[in-house]
Amino acid sequence: QKEVEQDPGPLSVPEGAIVSLNCTYSNSAFQYFMWYRQYSRKGPELLMYTYSSGNKEDGRFTAQVDKSSKYISLFIRDSQPSDSATYLCATAGTSGSRLTFGEGTQLTVNP
Amino acid sequence: DTGVSQDPRHKITKRGQNVTFRCDPISEHNRLYWYRQTLGQGPEFLTYFQNEAQLEKSRLLSDRFSAERPKGSFSTLEIQRTEQGDSAMYLCASSLAGSYYEQYFGPGTRLTVT
Repeated sequence: QKEVEQDPGPLSVPEGAIVSLNCTYSNSAFQYFMWYRQYSRKGPELLMYTYSSGNKEDGRFTAQVDKSSKYISLFIRDSQPSDSATYLCATAGTSGSRLTFGEGTQLTVNP
Repeated sequence: DTGVSQDPRHKITKRGQNVTFRCDPISEHNRLYWYRQTLGQGPEFLTYFQNEAQLEKSRLLSDRFSAERPKGSFSTLEIQRTEQGDSAMYLCASSLAGSYYEQYFGPGTRLTVT
């Protein structure tokens, strides 16, 4: 079983829709939760990180972590065609160094 | 802050050849990481350095792989006797040690082994 599970999609939505992307993880030691965006044939771009449980908002993006259920979410409001990319969740422990990634969800926002 | 850079961006090589990739991290970052990403998968950790010291290696890093960061600045990743299974995107990332969870990635080097 993978430590971080993510539905690979693909997910296709109309422009302006609210997008919900999700991951689950198995290791209780994970304390930091990140979301990356990766355009085709590019490196991952850090969108935001959250420490422990709770919500974090940055513009149109909101990250949520529920440690009790080991569930990570990213919400994108007013989605735009430029949001079309693969979204990767990642986790890290408090004594760690490496990031553990999900396999990514491919999102297409249609104009 | 010019970001993480990697060179080359693409490399095609024949099975059995050696290849070397270079990574230049964000200048003030003392940690440097190497990951490998195959199509449809998330990046997988290979190894990381804090300054010039290599502190952790994944079991994915076979003895054909070697990484160095000689002066604590740029790093090289060498693959000896390449195999077709080595075909992947090799990603470099950097961070400050105190915020290791904020890793910034370079554009990657795409390796194709024929």
